[in-house]
Amino acid sequence: DAGITQSPRHKVTETGTPVTLRCHQTENHRYMYWYRQDPGHGLRLIHYSYGVKDTDKGEVSDGYSVSRSKTEDFLLTLESATSSQTSVYFCAIARGNEQYFGPGTRLTVT
Amino acid sequence: QKEVEQDPGPLSVPEGAIVSLNCTYSNSAFQYFMWYRQYSRKGPELLMYTYSSGNKEDGRFTAQVDKSSKYISLFIRDSQPSDSATYLCAMSVEKTQGGSEKLVFGKGTKLTVNP
Repeated sequence: DAGITQSPRHKVTETGTPVTLRCHQTENHRYMYWYRQDPGHGLRLIHYSYGVKDTDKGEVSDGYSVSRSKTEDFLLTLESATSSQTSVYFCAIARGNEQYFGPGTRLTVT
Repeated sequence: QKEVEQDPGPLSVPEGAIVSLNCTYSNSAFQYFMWYRQYSRKGPELLMYTYSSGNKEDGRFTAQVDKSSKYISLFIRDSQPSDSATYLCAMSVEKTQGGSEKLVFGKGTKLTVNP
């Protein structure tokens, strides 16, 4: 258990609405990540953070933004949700070279 | 060609069987190799972590890396129904800005162990 929680765990929202997902960690890790998981695509990196206010894009960052104002929280925002963003979103932390994942948020955009 | 290829299965075996899960990759610079287990509707759980070539054993699980063939394997001995899950391989070489590893995942193989 890497002390990662995600909220909400499930969300249904309408196209065009903003959505923010939260990842919270209790172990003060420097590196945090957001992934999405879709059938046929596996896990893909959206954004990651290497410190407070330090973030960078991953493989599938279009339509997403992130913020990290304190070590323990990493927020993922969909500014205007689209149906293609229906997915399961996982947060992860790095402990050395190993990454550990949270329980996931299941997001449905109708 | 995808960087990491993994047969999605599904793979169904009887309890007690030896299971072999495999991934191939194209980037010869990959140095770190991982296997994750993911139960339905749960987050991926790190199962095995290997650096460079060779074998690593942990209980009923053995991870094997053959860098010359760009091929990694996970063996499960005496498989149990509780091993039923999706198994994801992952690998990395590239340091992201700030020094962290960037993982590339296979799509996962769904395994069912039947009692």
